[in-house]
Amino acid sequence: GAVVSQHPSWVICKSGTSVKIECRSLDFQATTMFWYRQFPKQSLMLMATSNEGSKATYEQGVEKDKFLINHASLTLSTLTVTSAHPEDSSFYICSARGGGLAGSSYEQYFGPGTRLTVT
Amino acid sequence: KQEVTQIPAALSVPEGENLVLNCSFTDSAIYNLQWFRQDPGKGLTSLLLIQSSQREQTSGRLNASLDKSSGRSTLYIAASQPGDSATYLCAVTPDSNYQLIWGAGTKLIIKP
Repeated sequence: GAVVSQHPSWVICKSGTSVKIECRSLDFQATTMFWYRQFPKQSLMLMATSNEGSKATYEQGVEKDKFLINHASLTLSTLTVTSAHPEDSSFYICSARGGGLAGSSYEQYFGPGTRLTVT
Repeated sequence: KQEVTQIPAALSVPEGENLVLNCSFTDSAIYNLQWFRQDPGKGLTSLLLIQSSQREQTSGRLNASLDKSSGRSTLYIAASQPGDSATYLCAVTPDSNYQLIWGAGTKLIIKP
């Protein structure tokens, strides 16, 4: 089946620094990748949608200058949390959608998530 | 605006019982509905995907049904085991944007 990886799985950073999270589709080409954030005991919230080679589309209330998304290739998208603050501490999950080998073009495949702790 | 609701929010049952988790959505115009499992601090595992033209999908002890006209889906878990303890999320794909609309989840605890 289709596999999506995320790196790192867990990161601690100091307030004011930037952190980059990678999301890779390992065995299929992901034309679209999604980034979600999940706070404890809450459901996932979509942050942004990125299509390869295009600027990401951010959901209302998500600061695009703070959460930089780059979808440079069909297998890699990155989320950079700039000038991180403790309130950015959360669980970040990416998902990828693609057709062909991945099966239904409507199905999303999820990465394992990255836990970010900002101290 | 599509909204997804899951009932109950939490459920605790003894091992071995059959159980049903419910998911409802307000707009019947969906492409598909998915059920996911999330273990604490972990990512999501896709359990079952039901296309809009399908009525149900089965995988092992899991059976998911879809009634688009009434805006309902159920996830049936047979012979529950402690390892089934997790949060179960349902999500619908409402349109061609392929973005998922999520329910808040049902936290399931199976007691040995």
